[in-house]
Amino acid sequence: AQSVTQLDSHVSVSEGTPVLLRCNYSSSYSPSLFWYVQHPNKGLQLLLKYTSAATLVKGINGFEAEFKKSETSFHLTKPSAHMSDAAEYFCVVVNTDKLIFGTGTRLQVFP
Amino acid sequence: DVKVTQSSRYLVKRTGEKVFLECVQDMDHENMFWYRQDPGLGLRLIYFSYDVKMKEKGDIPEGYSVSREKKERFSLILESASTNQTSMYLCASSSSGDGYTFGSGTRLTVV
Repeated sequence: AQSVTQLDSHVSVSEGTPVLLRCNYSSSYSPSLFWYVQHPNKGLQLLLKYTSAATLVKGINGFEAEFKKSETSFHLTKPSAHMSDAAEYFCVVVNTDKLIFGTGTRLQVFP
Repeated sequence: DVKVTQSSRYLVKRTGEKVFLECVQDMDHENMFWYRQDPGLGLRLIYFSYDVKMKEKGDIPEGYSVSREKKERFSLILESASTNQTSMYLCASSSSGDGYTFGSGTRLTVV
């Protein structure tokens, strides 16, 4: 069965420092993977998606993720955090048209 | 702008009540989904539907049922609400080859 594991429930960074949110996936075939973001009291927003094209995927707001088959990982990164990046982030795998969500990583950004 | 509309943003119901959560999409999508979101658990799939009058159980269907009489509308039904069904409920729709669109969510409190 397809699944994703988000390795950190909380990540704290200072503004201007890099962000790394980790996600490992389990899949018997080449998966489709997404990252979603949810700001407080807001809906889910798609950050980026991987669908077996380029392994380095660029998303909105300066985020990117790299698909590494050998490590079964799809980590989300951003070179420099901004206060507005504080939110909850979900790694998601597609399983037969259904989205399977990770448990989420809450990102805190300190001034 | 394409939309998934959930009829209520906040809802308070009493234990034992029958509760209807409504979701309407205007994108002519075949697929519709109901998720619940709880802190530390991410989003978990309750039920989904790939076509009118069709429904499939997701990962946590117990205590819920669904109805899809028209393509654009997917209703989630709590037959007898219980306090452990207090949660945020999110509806989504998709079409093969298209993206997924989420509603804004209904925060249900069962007292």
